[in-house]
Amino acid sequence: NAGVTQTPKFQVLKTGQSMTLQCAQDMNHNSMYWYRQDPGMGLRLIYYSASEGTTDKGEVPNGYNVSRLNKREFSLRLESAAPSQTSVYFCATRAGWGTDTQYFGPGTRLTVL
Amino acid sequence: GESVGLHLPTLSVQEGDNSIINCAYSNSASDYFIWYKQESGKGPQFIIDIRSNMDKRQGQRVTVLLNKTVKHLSLQIAATQPGDSAVYFCAEIQNQAGTALIFGKGTTLSVSS
Repeated sequence: NAGVTQTPKFQVLKTGQSMTLQCAQDMNHNSMYWYRQDPGMGLRLIYYSASEGTTDKGEVPNGYNVSRLNKREFSLRLESAAPSQTSVYFCATRAGWGTDTQYFGPGTRLTVL
Repeated sequence: GESVGLHLPTLSVQEGDNSIINCAYSNSASDYFIWYKQESGKGPQFIIDIRSNMDKRQGQRVTVLLNKTVKHLSLQIAATQPGDSAVYFCAEIQNQAGTALIFGKGTTLSVSS
């Protein structure tokens, strides 16, 4: 099992460009999350999907959109990238039954020039 | 302001010593807490969790203590090894609907041989 996978691992964008970060899981988990991590900070929640077909805003949703494509995949889109979105992005999943533990992917390091 | 925080940003110990990493939280309604370990360039890795109906939980070489009276959480690592060097985050559940994790800023543990 690969667990939680994220693509790409690294990306450099120019201000105003758009891109989509991909996340996939093979653990049959119901809930999926997108976080960002800035230097010296903990992770902050951008968006989450409690179950297939639903999405909700987290603490820092501005400038992002998400799509829960199916149970396995949860994508994060930056429509018009800004330097303030330079960060490391992590996807996480949670089973949704009997446990609140979240499992994280390896991250995508994004730089916006 | 931030709900979950750690007392010290860095902790340096000698190999073989016991390490204690502390965390304070402010939301008395939080009922689930997790400790994560994050190595450089990787996603957070689950270490141990505890629910608010417990005050202690043990794993392999790790123990989490929860003091709800003073809203304090600690992670104890026995016989610390160089491989334990990483950033450690505590996180809490604040939103039962989405079970979004709120992270502290992290403590960097450095283990010297």
